[in-house]
Amino acid sequence: KQEVTQIPAALSVPEGENLVLNCSFTDSAIYNLQWFRQDPGKGLTSLLLIQSSQREQTSGRLNASLDKSSGRSTLYIAASQPGDSATYLCAVWTGNTGKLIFGQGTTLQVKP
Amino acid sequence: DGGITQSPKYLFRKEGQNVTLSCEQNLNHDAMYWYRQDPGQGLRLIYYSQIVNDFQKGDIAEGYSVSREKKESFPLTVTSAQKNPTAFYLCASSPLADRVNQPQHFGDGTRLSIL
Repeated sequence: KQEVTQIPAALSVPEGENLVLNCSFTDSAIYNLQWFRQDPGKGLTSLLLIQSSQREQTSGRLNASLDKSSGRSTLYIAASQPGDSATYLCAVWTGNTGKLIFGQGTTLQVKP
Repeated sequence: DGGITQSPKYLFRKEGQNVTLSCEQNLNHDAMYWYRQDPGQGLRLIYYSQIVNDFQKGDIAEGYSVSREKKESFPLTVTSAQKNPTAFYLCASSPLADRVNQPQHFGDGTRLSIL
């Protein structure tokens, strides 16, 4: 059974710092891995999607990497800003059933 | 603008009552999903539908029911059999044909509480 774990559960950093969020999964047979952002009381916004054949994706200050063999992904945020404060969730797409399996999320606070 | 609309934003359920959460999308997506989110937890799949008049159970379907009579709409009913319904409910959609390469789009959620 696929399980997705995110460490740490919470993170607080000063503004301007570069940071890394971690995501691990137990079954390497995935179609893709997705990173989402969730603001308090809101739905999820897609940040990056890495297909199983890809190693990384970049969007602005965000860079996500994928290592299927080790079951790990990282989300790198460069030059963090207070507006980056949110919960970040990773999810893996498994099989043709279209099921996304989510991690518990990392809640990030960027202090001015 | 295309998107997913969930209503109501807040909902309260009395003992023994069934309640229905609305989800409407104008993205012309074939697939729609319902997730439940508990505090400090990730999302868990309740039901999903890949086509009109068809749907499948997710990981935690007990105490819930759905219908998919129109492509745009995928309402979720929380029945009295669901003993712990207090949670944040999220609806999502995605294009079926390219679902592996396209992320799911999410609504803003409905927060359900017990009276």
